[in-house]
Amino acid sequence: QQQVKQSPQSLIVQKGGISIINCAYENTAFDYFPWYQQFPGKGPALLIAIRPDVSEKKEGRFTISFNKSAKQFSLHIMDSQPGDSATYFCAGSTGGGNKLTFGTGTQLKVEL
Amino acid sequence: NAGVMQNPRHLVRRRGQEARLRCSPMKGHSHVYWYRQLPEEGLKFMVYLQKENIIDESGMPKERFSAEFPKEGPSILRIQQVVRGDSAAYFCASSTRRDRKNIQYFGAGTRLSVL
Repeated sequence: QQQVKQSPQSLIVQKGGISIINCAYENTAFDYFPWYQQFPGKGPALLIAIRPDVSEKKEGRFTISFNKSAKQFSLHIMDSQPGDSATYFCAGSTGGGNKLTFGTGTQLKVEL
Repeated sequence: NAGVMQNPRHLVRRRGQEARLRCSPMKGHSHVYWYRQLPEEGLKFMVYLQKENIIDESGMPKERFSAEFPKEGPSILRIQQVVRGDSAAYFCASSTRRDRKNIQYFGAGTRLSVL
């Protein structure tokens, strides 16, 4: 099965700091890379997504950096806030977003 | 506009019983996806359905699991003769596929516990 490897498994960041989560994929046919945010007891919610024809996408405090040659992409959360404390999943898919292949998740805790 | 609705939120079954999980997609969405999340793991794709059709079931276990999305009513994920290893959170997502984004919107999930 084509995998998406995600790191770190958990992350603690001080309020105002930068949170960085990394993912690497194997399937070169992936053409859509979303990041999902999940709070305890809730379903995942789309945070931001990128296609491989761009190297960076920014939406507010959230930025995806994409390196096609290295088959890696990362999520940067600027000015991290306690409300950002959640589990973050990266994913990849083909064909305009059919089945999503998820990473194993990163538990982010933002401390005051 | 209500989001993706899943019920029940929690389901307890004894080994050997049947579990039926329901998913009503967002209004206007005709594509449904089921994922399973084991504790401390990411979501694993199970099946992708359109109205009355199974498009991709490559993630479904070969036995005991089935899914449907009838012309009328919610999508159903059925697990027959449940075993303890079926205990997990099952998430449904829906989309429109009207553009290249094909954003999948997730429900809150059904947490299945097998005793």
